[in-house]
Amino acid sequence: QVQLVQPGAEVKKPGASVKVSCKVSGYTFIDHGIHWVRQAPGQGLEWMGWISAYNGNTNYAQKLQGRVTVTTDTSTSTAYMELRSLRSDDTAVYYCARGRGGDGYYSYDYWGQGTLVTVSS
Amino acid sequence: DIQMTQSPSTLSASVGDRVTITCRASQSISTWLAWYQQKPGKAPKLLIYKASNLQSGVPSRFSGSGSGTEFTLTISSLQPDDFATYYCQQYNTYSTFGQGTKLEIK
Repeated sequence: QVQLVQPGAEVKKPGASVKVSCKVSGYTFIDHGIHWVRQAPGQGLEWMGWISAYNGNTNYAQKLQGRVTVTTDTSTSTAYMELRSLRSDDTAVYYCARGRGGDGYYSYDYWGQGTLVTVSS
Repeated sequence: DIQMTQSPSTLSASVGDRVTITCRASQSISTWLAWYQQKPGKAPKLLIYKASNLQSGVPSRFSGSGSGTEFTLTISSLQPDDFATYYCQQYNTYSTFGQGTKLEIK
């Protein structure tokens, strides 16, 4: 069965960086893009960015350009999201999700369980 | 950026009711729209993709319609398990979510 597995939680200080992993199984990794979505406490969903697991192409939300990088390791079927220069308003649950239709922009049919990133001094 | 606006923000309804949630896009997105259900502490669950296609395993009481800039999610007969928050998502140009609609028990 398709699974996307993320670590449970990270605690970081303001100004630091966080790198969240998303290990997938149950399908051919390069056949579907991976998207990252975050959700601040009590708030809605915010799309952060996308990576093609096939060729490594990326796109990011304009708001996060310059602070976020999404990468993949095809040898381990793992995607990563790194967010730099963390601020308190980056405190959120970070989800990875699989593009349903393949490698581009699609709805998301499988999601990781989310990683709570807390930014606090 | 394409903005997505859902209405209402909160909806109170009873088991057995028919409910409709609306999502409007700031520009045409053809039918590149999805609907999700989210329960507290859980990841969103895909209900509808490409505006009107029911995701595998989702009950048939859920349906979606629309194209261009206006879309609706309808639940034909509310069940206890349906009380949750619902989000629309456009994926015509990058991706954007609506702000969510919380469906509460009346």
